[in-house]
Amino acid sequence: QKEVEQNSGPLSVPEGAIASLNCTYSDRVSQSFFWYRQYSGKSPELIMSIYSNGDKEDGRFTAQLNKASQYVSLLIRDSQPSDSATYLCAAQVGSYIPTFGRGTSLIVHP
Amino acid sequence: GAGVSQSPRYKVAKRGQDVALRCDPISGHVSLFWYQQALGQGPEFLTYFQNEAQLDKSGLPSDRFFAERPEGSVSTLKIQRTQQEDSAVYLCASSPLAGEYNEQFFGPGTRLTVL
Repeated sequence: QKEVEQNSGPLSVPEGAIASLNCTYSDRVSQSFFWYRQYSGKSPELIMSIYSNGDKEDGRFTAQLNKASQYVSLLIRDSQPSDSATYLCAAQVGSYIPTFGRGTSLIVHP
Repeated sequence: GAGVSQSPRYKVAKRGQDVALRCDPISGHVSLFWYQQALGQGPEFLTYFQNEAQLDKSGLPSDRFFAERPEGSVSTLKIQRTQQEDSAVYLCASSPLAGEYNEQFFGPGTRLTVL
């Protein structure tokens, strides 16, 4: 069983809308969480990291973490066509290796 | 500055051939990871180095896979007697720290095709 679950999508949103990407994880003691963006044919690129419950904002991106419910989400405000990519969620337990979800494909249409 | 580099970018191998994939991490990065990524899937962990020490190789799919990082910088992933199921993108990532806050920087990957 995959330890990090993401809806594979695609999630389709119009330009300018808010895109909401969700991720759940099974290991209750996971401590560190990461969102990566991966364009088709390219390698993953770190967007956000979050370690504490609550929200963390960086520009148009907001990561939200709820450890009690074991989910982490990524909101993208004012979505642009250039945001179209696969978004990978990763969870890490302590100093161990991050486990990646399969990713959610996001399509932002003009 | 220079990011993580990998070579070759593409490799076509005949079944049974040995291949070696190279990773040059960002200078000074302590942690180095190898992942295998199949189409439509997330990266699957293969092995982890902290400096020159291979601390975790639990993700290597078989004893045909071997990785090393002898001087704590460049790493090589070797696959012996390649099989068709080895076809995938092999990603290398490095991180400046070791521990909880493993923000990883990925290389461009090596796409391996086994015929």
